[in-house]
Amino acid sequence: GNSVTQMEGPVTLSEEAFLTINCTYTATGYPSLFWYVQYPGEGLQLLLKATKADDKGSNKGFEATYRKETTSFHLEKGSVQVSDSAVYFCALSVNQAGTALIFGKGTTLSVSS
Amino acid sequence: GAGVSQSPSNKVTEKGKDVELRCDPISGHTALYWYRQSLGQGLEFLIYFQGNSAPDKSGLPSDRFSAERTGGSVSTLTIQRTQQEDSAVYLCASNTLAGSGTDTQYFGPGTRLTVL
Repeated sequence: GNSVTQMEGPVTLSEEAFLTINCTYTATGYPSLFWYVQYPGEGLQLLLKATKADDKGSNKGFEATYRKETTSFHLEKGSVQVSDSAVYFCALSVNQAGTALIFGKGTTLSVSS
Repeated sequence: GAGVSQSPSNKVTEKGKDVELRCDPISGHTALYWYRQSLGQGLEFLIYFQGNSAPDKSGLPSDRFSAERTGGSVSTLTIQRTQQEDSAVYLCASNTLAGSGTDTQYFGPGTRLTVL
């Protein structure tokens, strides 16, 4: 079946540190891949996405590259800020319109100044 | 434009009572999803509506859970005879199935349900 595995948290970093949150997936076909973010007290927001192999999604300084050969979609940011503290979810959808997202368990990131 | 809205934002109920949760999707979005976010289980798909087609109920955890979508817009998730394990944040999402970006779902703020 389809599934997403992401690294367990919490991840605690100092401001300006480099961030990597690992995400790997199992899927039939060619899924679309997503990172969603949930800031404290807020709803889920789409952070970035990639729809085919070797695509790079980017937003707000975050990047993730769709790697078919390693079935991965790791999230990276070169210099984190306190305001990046949130829960990050990796997700996939099988590449058909109208299919549910399959989420990883979420990774809590805490950034201190 | 307006995003996905959900009501109430918080609901506290006693075990055994029925509850109704409401979702108002983005105008023009034909697809609507319900998910549940709980501490032990993460984010789980519950049910999916697409236009006038029969809903995909494959994620509903028991027959105490049901959902309707009237007029292709607003949806109500009903939980009958609530149990403590139903305590969670219930999230609604919608997307368009026409044009570009059909794979991107937009989420509401959620309803936090607490069953005492």
